[in-house]
Amino acid sequence: AQSVSQHNHHVILSEAASLELGCNYSYGGTVNLFWYVQYPGQHLQLLLKYFSGDPLVKGIKGFEAEFIKSKFSFNLRKPSVQWSDTAEYFCAVKRNAGNMLTFGGGTRLMVKP
Amino acid sequence: DVKVTQSSRYLVKRTGEKVFLECVQDMDHENMFWYRQDPGLGLRLIYFSYDVKMKEKGDIPEGYSVSREKKERFSLILESASTNQTSMYLCASTPGGELKGGELFFGEGSRLTVL
Repeated sequence: AQSVSQHNHHVILSEAASLELGCNYSYGGTVNLFWYVQYPGQHLQLLLKYFSGDPLVKGIKGFEAEFIKSKFSFNLRKPSVQWSDTAEYFCAVKRNAGNMLTFGGGTRLMVKP
Repeated sequence: DVKVTQSSRYLVKRTGEKVFLECVQDMDHENMFWYRQDPGLGLRLIYFSYDVKMKEKGDIPEGYSVSREKKERFSLILESASTNQTSMYLCASTPGGELKGGELFFGEGSRLTVL
């Protein structure tokens, strides 16, 4: 079965620190990759996505993610976090055909002011 | 903006009760989904529907059923609630036959506690 792993369950950073959240998936075929974010008290929303082309994708609020096919990874990065980035982040994978997204377990990020 | 509305934000039910969770979307989306969200487990797909009266099992359908009588409405039913169904339930929708664009639009969630 396809699985998505997010190895960091909780991350605490100070403002201006750099962020990297790991995401690995197990499916060997063609995939589409996503990062979603859930700010406190809000609904989940799309942060960025990769379908094809440049493996480095840029999303909203200064986030980016790099798809490394050989490592089955899609890590999320931000050079300098802000207190407002405090949220839970979910990686998700979709097979090229089909209607199902498989989500990782999520990473709770707390940014200290 | 797409609006996905879940009827109840918070519910408390007793073991064995029947529970209905309703979800309505206002953007004429073909696909609708029910997930449950649990700490450390992320989101797990219970059921999804790609058209009226059509449904497909997700990863954890046991103990749940769904109903989609109208395009805009997708209901999740717990026939006999159990304590292990205490969770946050998220509804989502997306346009298109296949998951075009990959972006799911989520509701705010329904937190169910089963005593």
